[in-house]
Amino acid sequence: IAGITQAPTSQILAAGRRMTLRCTQDMRHNAMYWYRQDLGLGLRLIHYSNTAGTTGKGEVPDGYSVSRANTDDFPLTLASAVPSQTSVYFCASSESLADYNEQFFGPGTRLTVL
Amino acid sequence: GQNIDQPTEMTATEGAIVQINCTYQTSGFNGLFWYQQHAGEAPTFLSYNVLDGLEEKGRFSSFLSRSKGYSYLLLKELQMKDSASYLCAVLDSNYQLIWGAGTKLIIKP
Repeated sequence: IAGITQAPTSQILAAGRRMTLRCTQDMRHNAMYWYRQDLGLGLRLIHYSNTAGTTGKGEVPDGYSVSRANTDDFPLTLASAVPSQTSVYFCASSESLADYNEQFFGPGTRLTVL
Repeated sequence: GQNIDQPTEMTATEGAIVQINCTYQTSGFNGLFWYQQHAGEAPTFLSYNVLDGLEEKGRFSSFLSRSKGYSYLLLKELQMKDSASYLCAVLDSNYQLIWGAGTKLIIKP
């Protein structure tokens, strides 16, 4: 079944630890995104990628890094986790970055940093 | 700054009609989206408006007025499964989506 997968589904992490959230899509979409969703706030863009080999910063990039080695995978890394990074993380993809741009979302990763 | 406003919560009755409003102030405009998000799940696409007017899709319709920075989502013949959060999002001049906090819609029998 075509779509986006994320791993892990949930994770409890000690502050200061390094963590990589995985995201894979099989729709051959060029654009991919990482969002965080916090209660009472809208989805906030962390990083995005227009195509394999390129990445860009979103609204809240500090403390996070991404890479896009190929079309399908877009991992998000927290180099040294802090409690304020406790959130639900969604990966999404779309055919392209510009114009009409329906985004398809993965099921999310619920991350708790203690 | 960029801002998307929508009501935090609304309640409606099964079988009725509800209108969820969204106002926005963004740097540029390349379209407005509505997404549905059930509790604990991922958002799913409902509609896209880039020109003024009403777009109808089954029980759901979405309206846009660019001059007023305003949109609404109209849900008809409400069903219990429509209980969810409805997210308004604007594609800005950098082709990034700016999201509202969402409107939680509660449907009562």
